[in-house]
Amino acid sequence: GIQVEQSPPDLILQEGANSTLRCNFSDSVNNLQWFHQNPWGQLINLFYIPSGTKQNGRLSATTVATERYSLLYISSSQTTDSGVYFCAVEHGGTSYGKLTFGQGTILTVHP
Amino acid sequence: EAQVTQNPRYLITVTGKKLTVTCSQNMNHEYMSWYRQDPGLGLRQIYYSMNVEVTDKGDVPEGYKVSRKEKRNFPLILESPSPNQTSLYFCASSLTSYLTGELFFGEGSRLTVL
Repeated sequence: GIQVEQSPPDLILQEGANSTLRCNFSDSVNNLQWFHQNPWGQLINLFYIPSGTKQNGRLSATTVATERYSLLYISSSQTTDSGVYFCAVEHGGTSYGKLTFGQGTILTVHP
Repeated sequence: EAQVTQNPRYLITVTGKKLTVTCSQNMNHEYMSWYRQDPGLGLRQIYYSMNVEVTDKGDVPEGYKVSRKEKRNFPLILESPSPNQTSLYFCASSLTSYLTGELFFGEGSRLTVL
């Protein structure tokens, strides 16, 4: 099956710093999504991004499907950005609906 | 309010006692799925459903059953729970069945099997 690797596994920042999270995947995929899990466990969809670049406020994401990676950029980080960031890929070809998640990046933003 | 609702949110049970975790969405979504989250392993897909009466195995289906008799409901059934099924479970849904769209998650159900 598809392997999904996220880096770094842990990231500690001071408020106001910028960061880049990476998601590598081992095979072609139908789509890719980024999620944030807050400290209370709630999972929120950040981006649905099978290819190209999207921006939403201080967050942006880029997926280069041909090179099998995606990047999540967080600018001017805030303490509320703390939590775990996951990427998830939908398997390619005819495997619609089958999703594999990366193991996550734990982000801690200090005031 | 558009939402995915899971029940129960917390449950402690004993080995072998059948249980069902319910999942319901009010967004008329076609796609629904179940995941378990364990420390160090991220989220792993258990089962998914592209539409009513259509279900498929994810990466970790052993020990679980699902059914999709109605569009809005997708219950997860543990026929004979074992301690290794102690986990945090999430249900999710999305609008489309062709190329899963943006996923919306429930709040999670923490299950402990003694």
